[in-house]
Amino acid sequence: GAVVSQHPSWVICKSGTSVKIECRSLDFQATTMFWYRQFPKQSLMLMATSNEGSKATYEQGVEKDKFLINHASLTLSTLTVTSAHPEDSSFYICSARGLGLGIDEQFFGPGTRLTVL
Amino acid sequence: AQKVTQAQTEISVVEKEDVTLDCVYETRDTTYYLFWYKQPPSGELVFLIRRNSFDEQNEISGRYSWNFQKSTSSFNFTITASQVVDSAVYFCALSERRYGGATNKLIFGTGTLLAVQP
Repeated sequence: GAVVSQHPSWVICKSGTSVKIECRSLDFQATTMFWYRQFPKQSLMLMATSNEGSKATYEQGVEKDKFLINHASLTLSTLTVTSAHPEDSSFYICSARGLGLGIDEQFFGPGTRLTVL
Repeated sequence: AQKVTQAQTEISVVEKEDVTLDCVYETRDTTYYLFWYKQPPSGELVFLIRRNSFDEQNEISGRYSWNFQKSTSSFNFTITASQVVDSAVYFCALSERRYGGATNKLIFGTGTLLAVQP
């Protein structure tokens, strides 16, 4: 089956630092990747959608300068949380949709838990 | 606008009981997909089922079954003879079909926390 990995699985950082999270499709080419954020005991909220080789499309209310998304290859997308603050602490999940796969199929990564001190 | 409502925030049952998780959705589109995902304490989303809007047949997979009622915009999920390992948060989600290369987005409900007691 289609596998998506995320790295790191968890990260703790100091306020003001930047954190990069990687999302990789391991056995398929991901034309589109999605980034979600999930606060404790809440639902997944879509942050942005990125298509390989083009700029990400951000959802309303998500600061594009704070959450930098790069989808430079068909197997890798990165989310960089710049100048992280405690309120950015959350569970970040990526998903990917790929060439030759169902148009509505999204395969989810295992998530990255970010804690900002 | 798209919306997914899971009115049950938490359900607690005793092992071997049957339990039904409700999902009601809103969409203006005639073509869409509905999903159920399980999120155990580890956090990883586990895909359970995908159903397209033209297929109203109910589905059974082992102890799991799904009831899709287009007339009431509901897509309910039943676990028969629940087990402790079923304890998790369950999310219902909706994806509208887009044409012309536009990207389909998944809209998630707020989730139902299922606790199965031994």
